[in-house]
Amino acid sequence: DVKVTQSSRYLVKRTGEKVFLECVQDMDHENMFWYRQDPGLGLRLIYFSYDVKMKEKGDIPEGYSVSREKKERFSLILESASTNQTSMYLCATGRPGGANVLTFGAGSRLTVL
Amino acid sequence: AQSVTQLDSQVPVFEEAPVELRCNYSSSVSVYLFWYVQYPNQGLQLLLKYLSGSTLVKGINGFEAEFNKSQTSFHLRKPSVHISDTAEYFCAGPDTGGFKTIFGAGTRLFVKA
Repeated sequence: DVKVTQSSRYLVKRTGEKVFLECVQDMDHENMFWYRQDPGLGLRLIYFSYDVKMKEKGDIPEGYSVSREKKERFSLILESASTNQTSMYLCATGRPGGANVLTFGAGSRLTVL
Repeated sequence: AQSVTQLDSQVPVFEEAPVELRCNYSSSVSVYLFWYVQYPNQGLQLLLKYLSGSTLVKGINGFEAEFNKSQTSFHLRKPSVHISDTAEYFCAGPDTGGFKTIFGAGTRLFVKA
């Protein structure tokens, strides 16, 4: 089975801090995604990548950036964390073409004080 | 662009009772539809998917869903729920470009003893 690992399950940061959320997958999937999950809003796409060094903005990219230097690793960066970025962040992977079924990591719950 | 609407934010039900979680979609292209489940403190996992063929799709843990093109619905059903089915359920489908996945807002299923 595909395994998607998010290294930090719970983080507490202060306003203005730089935050890195790491995601690593072990099954050679080309596509990787970062979502944030908020109650009543479902999952909203922040950024995605379909190849190394490639990235595309999702629906809510403001305040975030990403890095994909290796195929298996996709990082989400909050350059200057703000309280409205307190949320659950979910990484997902998928293969190109077809239905793009997603496999998710366990999530990283970020609290910004 | 495609949209996915989950009609109920919360569904309480007694153990061993049947349940239906409702999902409507809009799309002008070929339709792939999914249901994902999120157990407490975990990421999402695929419950079932409709790609083509039979409109009745069976998934894990005794769940099934029926694709209804005329009503643009993809409702999730289980004839007899267990306490362990308590979770949040997300309906999802591809956007018009077919690359990104759009999620509904989620339905919290509470199974009571």
